[in-house]
Amino acid sequence: DADVTQTPRNRITKTGKRIMLECSQTKGHDRMYWYRQDPGLGLQLIYYSFDVKDINKGEISDGYSVSRQAQAKFSLSLESAIPNQTALYFCATSDPGFTDTQYFGPGTRLTVL
Amino acid sequence: RKEVEQDPGPFNVPEGATVAFNCTYSNSASQSFFWYRQDCRKEPKLLMSVYSSGNEDGRFTAQLNRASQYISLLIRDSKLSDSATYLCVVNTNAGKSTFGDGTTLTVKP
Repeated sequence: DADVTQTPRNRITKTGKRIMLECSQTKGHDRMYWYRQDPGLGLQLIYYSFDVKDINKGEISDGYSVSRQAQAKFSLSLESAIPNQTALYFCATSDPGFTDTQYFGPGTRLTVL
Repeated sequence: RKEVEQDPGPFNVPEGATVAFNCTYSNSASQSFFWYRQDCRKEPKLLMSVYSSGNEDGRFTAQLNRASQYISLLIRDSKLSDSATYLCVVNTNAGKSTFGDGTTLTVKP
């Protein structure tokens, strides 16, 4: 089984709809992240959480919110989706050891019409 | 100016070629450095960490120059399976990662 899972894997929605993307991990890591990727670009950090009580904004948090329900779960919400939020969304976890390597989920392809 | 900048690419090379990617970063407080590989629209996966002394993993060699704030990745004897996008990643001691936009490599027969 995958260590980091994301649901849904693909979603098409309409402008103005509320949508939630979910991420679960079995790696036992405290740190979790949400990124978006637009075609031809790197990953941009939306939100990150270093433990259940810690939530931090990333570079592009406007229009997004998150919830850290447990160590293993980190959800991303779009309260009122707009077309320019069409992108590939990745969840990641990391262990703040020496290397702090990030482990990514398979991604959610979101299309907002 | 972006915090992490990579060669724009794309790189198109024949099998067996040696290819080098460069990456520069602007935050002198950066603590750790990585190269990730991303296949088309899939999740990034760690290729290798980059250490100050330089490190090698098979055909891949990574180098770090802290004074110049520069990271490199060298791939020797390129294989068709090396075709992918290579992402340079820089972490601060606050645990945040900044990604470059990636360099696309296509290895042709």
